[in-house]
Amino acid sequence: KAGVTQTPRYLIKTRGQQVTLSCSPISGHRSVSWYQQTPGQGLQFLFEYFSETQRNKGNFPGRFSGRQFSNSRSEMNVSTLELGDSALYLCASSPGPRGGTDTQYFGPGTRLTVL
Amino acid sequence: GESVGLHLPTLSVQEGDNSIINCAYSNSASDYFIWYKQESGKGPQFIIDIRSNMDKRQGQRVTVLLNKTVKHLSLQIAATQPGDSAVYFCAETFSGNTPLVFGKGTRLSVIA
Repeated sequence: KAGVTQTPRYLIKTRGQQVTLSCSPISGHRSVSWYQQTPGQGLQFLFEYFSETQRNKGNFPGRFSGRQFSNSRSEMNVSTLELGDSALYLCASSPGPRGGTDTQYFGPGTRLTVL
Repeated sequence: GESVGLHLPTLSVQEGDNSIINCAYSNSASDYFIWYKQESGKGPQFIIDIRSNMDKRQGQRVTVLLNKTVKHLSLQIAATQPGDSAVYFCAETFSGNTPLVFGKGTRLSVIA
């Protein structure tokens, strides 16, 4: 069974631009969570989707948004990029709706660099 | 590869020795805990989990210990191998649809 895939793997943007990242979960998984990983803050939860509905949202500004499609694929968008948005963005999928208590399987991440 | 933490605590162990990685969790209401391993250039990989009604759980070469009194979690790796070199994260959550909260991580370096 294929793992979680994320595209693109690397991205370079400039301040003020916007970016869209994509995540394809493991086949059959209906829950997708997004995390931001930085050296200073570690892994921080962004949002979680299940069956196209946002179930949880982390403490990030409204510039960060996401959505999930009917095939469980998910995208996250960051608008008006800031230097501090440079990070590794990780997507994780899990089979069901039990939030953190379902085992989450992570993708390799998208490395975003904002210049 | 990806740099997951420039100032992580580091544990260096000799190949073949046992490793113990510690984690202090924050929420006394947390009832589910997970250890993840992250190698350079990869996303975190599930290692082992434990629920709060247990104080010990064993997997293949790994053991997780939970001390709820002092909110402490540890991961023991037996006969550490070079392939175990990675950053290890603990994560906690409260069942009932809450997201995972990750610790800062510990870098394990295995000396061959």
